[in-house]
Amino acid sequence: GENVEQHPSTLSVQEGDSAVIKCTYSDSASNYFPWYKQELGKGPQLIIDIRSNVGEKKDQRIAVTLNKTAKHFSLHITETQPEDSAVYFCAARGDTGRRALTFGSGTRLQVQP
Amino acid sequence: GAGVSQSPSNKVTEKGKDVELRCDPISGHTALYWYRQRLGQGLEFLIYFQGNSAPDKSGLPSDRFSAERTGESVSTLTIQRTQQEDSAVYLCASSLSGGGTEAFFGQGTRLTVV
Repeated sequence: GENVEQHPSTLSVQEGDSAVIKCTYSDSASNYFPWYKQELGKGPQLIIDIRSNVGEKKDQRIAVTLNKTAKHFSLHITETQPEDSAVYFCAARGDTGRRALTFGSGTRLQVQP
Repeated sequence: GAGVSQSPSNKVTEKGKDVELRCDPISGHTALYWYRQRLGQGLEFLIYFQGNSAPDKSGLPSDRFSAERTGESVSTLTIQRTQQEDSAVYLCASSLSGGGTEAFFGQGTRLTVV
């Protein structure tokens, strides 16, 4: 089945700096790659997703890149703000086999003011 | 409702008792997922329902865990003879369909087994 690895597990940046979180996946059939943000005591919330037919997607300060050949994808947050502090999860899902999302282990991002 | 609703939000139970957790998905969402999240950990897949297809139960950790869903409505996750290692947040999510559609999560049920 699918296996998603995520790193780093913790990341501390200064306000205004960029943050990058990386994930790799094992199943070449996976074609949907969302990123979720989870704040304390809340359920995960989708912040951006990318499908396998594109290599990059951007939404304001957030961007995701996908390299299907290498089977890795990354989240980029620019001009970080204290409210970006949270746990971020990457995930992968295919259209065959297990169609539920398989999640990475999470990255705790701390933005220092 | 506007989002995925889970109840109860918190549940404390004694070891050995059975518990039932409820998930109300977003109306019209055919896919429903249950995940378990232990403190400080990632999301562990439990079970997936898609329309009238047979559910994917491959993530259920033992036969003490079961889940049901009637049609495209409410789902219940039942844990029998609870153990302390079952303590976790149980998250439910739904999406319009499987595959590449956004999954919306509920707030979760925090289960504590004492």
